[in-house]
Amino acid sequence: NAGVTQTPKFQVLKTGQSMTLQCAQDMNHNSMYWYRQDPGMGLRLIYYSASEGTTDKGEVPNGYNVSRLNKREFSLRLESAAPSQTSVYFCASSEVYSGANVLTFGAGSRLTVL
Amino acid sequence: RKEVEQDPGPFNVPEGATVAFNCTYSNSASQSFFWYRQDCRKEPKLLMSVYSSGNEDGRFTAQLNRASQYISLLIRDSKLSDSATYLCVVNRHSGNTPLVFGKGTRLSVIA
Repeated sequence: NAGVTQTPKFQVLKTGQSMTLQCAQDMNHNSMYWYRQDPGMGLRLIYYSASEGTTDKGEVPNGYNVSRLNKREFSLRLESAAPSQTSVYFCASSEVYSGANVLTFGAGSRLTVL
Repeated sequence: RKEVEQDPGPFNVPEGATVAFNCTYSNSASQSFFWYRQDCRKEPKLLMSVYSSGNEDGRFTAQLNRASQYISLLIRDSKLSDSATYLCVVNRHSGNTPLVFGKGTRLSVIA
């Protein structure tokens, strides 16, 4: 039971390079999310997708794009990486249980931009 | 004011101690509440939901005070394995909407 799988686990980029973080879930969840976590800042929502075919901005969307490729997959793209995007990125998916939205997270992707 | 606020700690407690964390939220329309646990360099994982009537799961008790807009987590008989960061999480609306995370409270249980 894989749950939420993110790739890559680690990446080092130079300023201006682009890359895509991949995320896939096998729980048949409708909603998927991308968060970033920085020391002292907690988890901040970048983008989310409430269902296949829809995406919405979160708290910190600037510098990122997303694609909900199908129900399973939700990718995050950095078109021109900046040092401020050095962070740990978590993908999550969710389903509603008894009216409450419960998230399952991937293991995280550690990105360093030099 | 931040939407979800927690004391960052760290709380350093001996094994067997009882420890409590509080969390306040600013949006009075918030619908559902959770505690997540995050181990060092790992992903957050759901610890427990928080219900209006309060709920217990083994050594853990969660309570919600809607009038004062805070939730609490009580851990009894602390174990070394309880050392982690505890994240207070709020859902502004019911159903399938993004959650808002507090910055977390760090707990270290010492032998």
